[in-house]
Amino acid sequence: ETGVTQSPTHLIKTRGQQVTLRCSSQSGHNTVSWYQQALGQGPQFIFQYYREEENGRGNFPPRFSGLQFPNYSSELNVNALELDDSALYLCASSPTVMNTEAFFGQGTRLTVV
Amino acid sequence: DQQVKQNSPSLSVQEGRISILNCDYTNSMFDYFLWYKKYPAEGPTFLISISSIKDKNEDGRFTVFLNKSAKHLSLHIVPSQPGDSAVYFCAASARFTYSGAGSYQLTFGKGTKLSVIP
Repeated sequence: ETGVTQSPTHLIKTRGQQVTLRCSSQSGHNTVSWYQQALGQGPQFIFQYYREEENGRGNFPPRFSGLQFPNYSSELNVNALELDDSALYLCASSPTVMNTEAFFGQGTRLTVV
Repeated sequence: DQQVKQNSPSLSVQEGRISILNCDYTNSMFDYFLWYKKYPAEGPTFLISISSIKDKNEDGRFTVFLNKSAKHLSLHIVPSQPGDSAVYFCAASARFTYSGAGSYQLTFGKGTKLSVIP
């Protein structure tokens, strides 16, 4: 059983640019959530996707958007990058939408300069 | 407004002794609580959880205690081992209804860095 994998592991972007982060969920998991972890903070919920539709959203602006594909893999897109977007972005998958446990990938470290 | 609080940023414990990590929450709608462990350059790893209808859950060296009236939970690690050195996150889950199926969203504390000294 493969775990949650994210790509790339590290990324440097310039303010104002756009970025796409990718996540392959754990085999058999149909629910994917994205979290942002700033330095010294706990992960913060961005949004969740279930069966290719957004199924929940945290307190993040619309320039944070996502997609889920038929194979349950997912993308996080961030437009008009700001310096404060520099963080570790974590993807987590769950077996079902009602499962409380989430299994995390290793994260993508995004630096905005 | 932080709904899940871990007030100790760090904790040092001797190998073989008990480690106690604490967590407080404010939202009474939370119905499930989880602990995650995180090593540098890795994602959080699920450790143990407890439903709000229970007051204790045990898994090997790890025990989580829940005091609903005090809105407080703790993770006990006995005996502590050097490999337990990591950042521990407390997370709480509440069911929310969105446009579709409804789901669970995790709210995390800021973490406690545990150092187990050999």
